[in-house]
Amino acid sequence: EVQVVESGGGLVKPGGSLRLSCAASGFSFRSSSMNWVRQAPGKGLEWVSSISSSSSYIYYEDSVKGRFTISRDNAKNSVFLQMNSLRGEDTAVYYCATGDYGDPFDYWGQGTLVTVSS
Amino acid sequence: DIVMTQSPATLSVSPGERVTLSCRASQSVSSNLAWYQQKPGQAPRLLIYGASTRATGVPARFGGSGSGTEFTLTISSLQSEDFAVYSCQQYNNWPPWTFGQGTKVEIK
Repeated sequence: EVQVVESGGGLVKPGGSLRLSCAASGFSFRSSSMNWVRQAPGKGLEWVSSISSSSSYIYYEDSVKGRFTISRDNAKNSVFLQMNSLRGEDTAVYYCATGDYGDPFDYWGQGTLVTVSS
Repeated sequence: DIVMTQSPATLSVSPGERVTLSCRASQSVSSNLAWYQQKPGQAPRLLIYGASTRATGVPARFGGSGSGTEFTLTISSLQSEDFAVYSCQQYNNWPPWTFGQGTKVEIK
């Protein structure tokens, strides 16, 4: 059974930092790309960042470029999202999802809430 | 970037009714279109990929159609557990992967 579990969310002040983690199991993690998608309160889904299986190909949504960094540890079946210089508009539930480039996002975690507020 | 537009924003229906949701892409995405279902407080669940292929475990009452820029999700007979928000996503031209704003299916 595929399992995806996010952690690391919380309340942070504007300009602060937070590191999200995503632990995955039940599939060939080291062969799979991984993705972060967020959903602001009452809003739709927004893709944030993706990383290929070997970390060779990494992509970011324009508004997070230069502030967020995605990484992975294939030995620990985990992917991370380091979020710096956080803004109010980054407030959202952040989901980790499986899905190779050119494929849909097939398995999602339950999400972790990030709130940016003073 | 490809913009995905869903209509309507909200649909009020009674159990047992047939439901049709629309998704339009600003340019062709071929058949690289997915539909997701999301219930309050839950993660999105993949329903349909490749515009018309049901994901594992998805009931046969869910059907997808279309290609290019126009897509439809049909629920043949709405069940109580189907009241949710449905979002489409294109995975043809990336990055970015883009989603529609969602259609909420609510009880009439």
